[in-house]
Order: sequence, then structure tokens, then C-alpha cells
Amino acid sequence: QQQVKQSPQSLIVQKGGISIINCAYENTAFDYFPWYQQFPGKGPALLIAIRPDVSEKKEGRFTISFNKSAKQFSLHIMDSQPGDSATYFCAATFNNDMRFGAGTRLTVKP
Amino acid sequence: DTAVSQTPKYLVTQMGNDKSIKCEQNLGHDTMYWYKQDSKKFLKIMFSYNNKELIINETVPNRFSPKSPDKAHLNLHINSLELGDSAVYFCASMGTGGHSPLHFGNGTRLTVT
Repeated sequence: QQQVKQSPQSLIVQKGGISIINCAYENTAFDYFPWYQQFPGKGPALLIAIRPDVSEKKEGRFTISFNKSAKQFSLHIMDSQPGDSATYFCAATFNNDMRFGAGTRLTVKP
Repeated sequence: DTAVSQTPKYLVTQMGNDKSIKCEQNLGHDTMYWYKQDSKKFLKIMFSYNNKELIINETVPNRFSPKSPDKAHLNLHINSLELGDSAVYFCASMGTGGHSPLHFGNGTRLTVT
């Protein structure tokens, strides 16, 4: 039973475009929502994270939008670059138990 | 300095064998994890230890046994390996205080033939 649902499975964006990845969760006890970026042959690395008392968080070209009532959150990558091509995972945590979405493979075409 | 290091990076073995993967973290974290990433990239939690005590034990075959000799180490031993065990196994650690990220190692790619 997947506790965090992520879409799309794959995404192709032109350089300079906006990449948007969406996630939804059911368990209202989750209290921390990170996004991870994974390159081939590497472990996932924290990209940006948000708490449910905040509706938006921005760090450089990366923004998380959070809708607590809808139990949804999304990652926006502005001005997408070929170097952003990777697999992205959303996650949700409660009590040190972190559950991941299924991942989105992003390809940014030059 | 690698924060979370696991060895070996690659492990190729035959069905029925027993193998171990070692993990060490130098971040001073109390909580360590094992995750399994399958061929479709899905990350599934297997176990979690907090200060050497097992706190999360998902539905994992009992052929998998974690061992934590101290809070900086969490090893994974797998008995009677099966073809379906082929995957990438990630060790991770998390700090205390809530709202903390996971720090992952670079994974061990296990191939069972």
C-alpha cells in the first residue's frame, strides 16, 4: 500500500521550461515533506523540504507548493536545465518514518 | 569525508548464498535505515534502528536480518539469497528533533544469479 502517490512517472521538458511534479498523501499525521533528487549510481539527496504549516517554500529555482486541505504538494523547477535531468522523489515523514513516492524521471532537453 | 558509507558497492552472488552489506555513518545520528530500491526505482523502507534498537520492521522476509553493533553502524545480512532479492540497497541515517532529512549512502547493487 503506497502511502504517497506521485505523478507523472516520467517528464520531458525543454531547456528553460518549467517542470512540475505532483504528490498526494492520505495520512494526516505526516509532518515533514521533503523532495529528493537522485542521479544514476548515487543515493537520493535532499533537494528541498517543507512543513505543513507553510504553503510555499522557494530555494533558488526550486519551489514546493503545499495544500494541506487537499493533502497534496508539488515541486516546481523553474528554468529547467539539462543538469536537472534525474529522478525526483517526494516523501512524507511521521515519527522518523519516511515514505516515498514512486519517483519521476525528468529529462530536460537542450 | 563520506557521511554515510556502505560496502560493497556491487555484490554478485548465486542463489542460496548468504551475504552481508555494511553501513557506517559519521554524522552522529541516532537513527539508521535500510531501504530497497527495485528495478522500477521504487524506494521501500525495510528496517530502522534508533540507538541500536529496532523501531521499524516492515514486511520483509526473515531471511533479512539487520544488526546494529553501535549507533554508527547498521549492517544487513541476507540468508539463502533469491533471484527476487536483486535490487539496490540503500543505507540512510536521520538526525533527531523531528523534521529531519534522510542522508543516504550511495547504495549496494546486489545481483543474484
